[in-house]
Formats: sequence, structure tokens, C-alpha cells
Amino acid sequence: EAGVAQSPRYKIIEKRQSVAFWCNPISGHATLYWYQQILGQGPKLLIQFQNNGVVDDSQLPKDRFSAERLKGVDSTLKIQPAKLEDSAVYLCASSIPHYEQYFGPGTRLTVT
Amino acid sequence: AQSVSQHNHHVILSEAASLELGCNYSYGGTVNLFWYVQYPGQHLQLLLKYFSGDPLVKGIKGFEAEFIKSKFSFNLRKPSVQWSDTAEYFCVLSGNTGKLIFGQGTTLQVKP
Repeated sequence: EAGVAQSPRYKIIEKRQSVAFWCNPISGHATLYWYQQILGQGPKLLIQFQNNGVVDDSQLPKDRFSAERLKGVDSTLKIQPAKLEDSAVYLCASSIPHYEQYFGPGTRLTVT
Repeated sequence: AQSVSQHNHHVILSEAASLELGCNYSYGGTVNLFWYVQYPGQHLQLLLKYFSGDPLVKGIKGFEAEFIKSKFSFNLRKPSVQWSDTAEYFCVLSGNTGKLIFGQGTTLQVKP
């Protein structure tokens, strides 16, 4: 089966610019997650969707980060405006509810 | 507070040596526990999981982990490591929402 797809794989932007990441989950997976992984740390959950509804966004910096999952399939994560501390790998994962999460390759964001 | 602590940040072993990576967690309820692995240039993938039942769980590639509830621990073991086990290993817990909480990761380097 096809895995979780993410694009772009790499992105370099200047601080205060905006950026968007895209995720296509495994077909049939109702649950979708976005994680932020800062260098030297484990991934941290930013937002969890169940179909197109938000289950948990308690750690999403809502003043600059936004995410949507229209039609319960693909999802986009946006940062506007970016800060230096947003430099990280952004991981998307999907699952059947309460089962194993499958991770995409991630997008490495560098903010200069 | 929910948290996962991994004992070692960086481990270097020679091939055929035995491996044990320590993991302790803090969570006020029933937990599911995982070890995820990220091989160089690859996606995060599940190594093994504990939901309930036998506290000694076996995973892929000869890895196993033991859940000790009284010690809040879930240590990963392998009797004889190979060069191909070089990777980053994450101890992860999940509560009833499916949200994953990652430890900071342990980088394992196996010398041939």
C-alpha cells in the first residue's frame, strides 16, 4: 500500500515569511496527525484530526500556525509568519483510530 | 504530567554486543507503549508495541521490550546488535486519545 506522502521535502524561508506543508494520508485512515520535531528532540504533536474535525490542538501555536483537513483526506499545515525557532522537521502521520500510526518522510524547514 | 524519559542520548556498541535502552514514563492512567525506530534516511516506523497482556513483547528484527508497571519502565533489548541496527530509537507512550508522547530519542551507533 502507498504510504503517507508529504511535500515539499525541504523548504528554506526567511523569518516573517509564510510557508505551507501538504500531507496525503494512507487511504482509509480517518485519523491524521501533524508533529514538529526539533533537532535533538522527539516529535511533539501539534494537531490531531479525526476525519475533518480537530481532536487535539492544545500544543499548536495558534497565533501563527493553522491547519485544515478539508473533506477528511489531505491536510495542510501553515505557518504565518515564521520565526527562527520554527526550524524543524514537520511530520505527518495517519492511522485507523487507536491503531498504529504511519509516518511520512517529513518536511525539513529552515528559517533564516 | 505525561512524559517519557530515555536514559541514554547516544550509545555506541560493537557488532554482536548486547543492547539495552532504558525508558521510563509518567502517566496517570492506562498506557500503551511503543518503541519506534528511524533508520538513516528513512521514515519513523514501529518496532514493537505493548497494549496489554504478556509484559514481554517481541518486535521486528529480534528486538524485545519488557513492561514493568511497578517501575514505570519499558526497556528495549536485543541480545546481539548488527551494523544495520544503527538508527535513532524513540520510546513512546499513548493514552486513550491516541496522542503519542515521544521521548527525546537515543542514537545507536553500531561499529562493524
